[in-house]
Amino acid sequence: GAVVSQHPSWVICKSGTSVKIECRSLDFQATTMFWYRQFPKQSLMLMATSNEGSKATYEQGVEKDKFLINHASLTLSTLTVTSAHPEDSSFYICSARAPSRVISTLHFGNGTRLTVT
Amino acid sequence: SQKIEQNSEALNIQEGKTATLTCNYTNYSPAYLQWYRQDPGRGPVFLLLIRENEKEKRKERLKVTFDTTLKQSLFHITASQPADSATYLCALDRDGGSQGNLIFGKGTKLSVKP
Repeated sequence: GAVVSQHPSWVICKSGTSVKIECRSLDFQATTMFWYRQFPKQSLMLMATSNEGSKATYEQGVEKDKFLINHASLTLSTLTVTSAHPEDSSFYICSARAPSRVISTLHFGNGTRLTVT
Repeated sequence: SQKIEQNSEALNIQEGKTATLTCNYTNYSPAYLQWYRQDPGRGPVFLLLIRENEKEKRKERLKVTFDTTLKQSLFHITASQPADSATYLCALDRDGGSQGNLIFGKGTKLSVKP
């Protein structure tokens, strides 16, 4: 149980275009999802916390107008990278917290490798 | 500011030996600490959680210790196998709660040679 599906697994796009990444919890309802980016040999850096039915909470330094997050249902959160630039190339990973657990372990998607040319 | 450090970027060991990975933290008093495994190009997978009042936790060949005085956790893999080769991340909750808002270390890349 507790499977999180992330799509696409990789995407190549041209500079200036937008890319949408989907994160779905397949067998549980996730009131909270998290979006991270990870550079090679670096830690997971939290970008934003996505709460179902409300606005996402962004970490300091993350542009909310560039990284649009929508959490329209208890099983789906999307991250849209708008007007992508080569410096946005990274590994983006989502995770979900199962609400029934007292202490939260996270269930991660398999990530999306974004390359902006 | 809160910091979490995994001192070794990489660890190479021989198959059958015990791998020991270290996680240190500062300016922090976490209620629990977690360890995750991450394979290349994949998302992390949860392995173990240890609470502040637990000294040790075991799961099959895995053992985690938590020393709140030293502000350190050790992660051991006994009888290591090449399939254990991966990056291992430690993580702490950011705000002392249970909301899943975790801060991660950079990870230690473990390579187990046959």
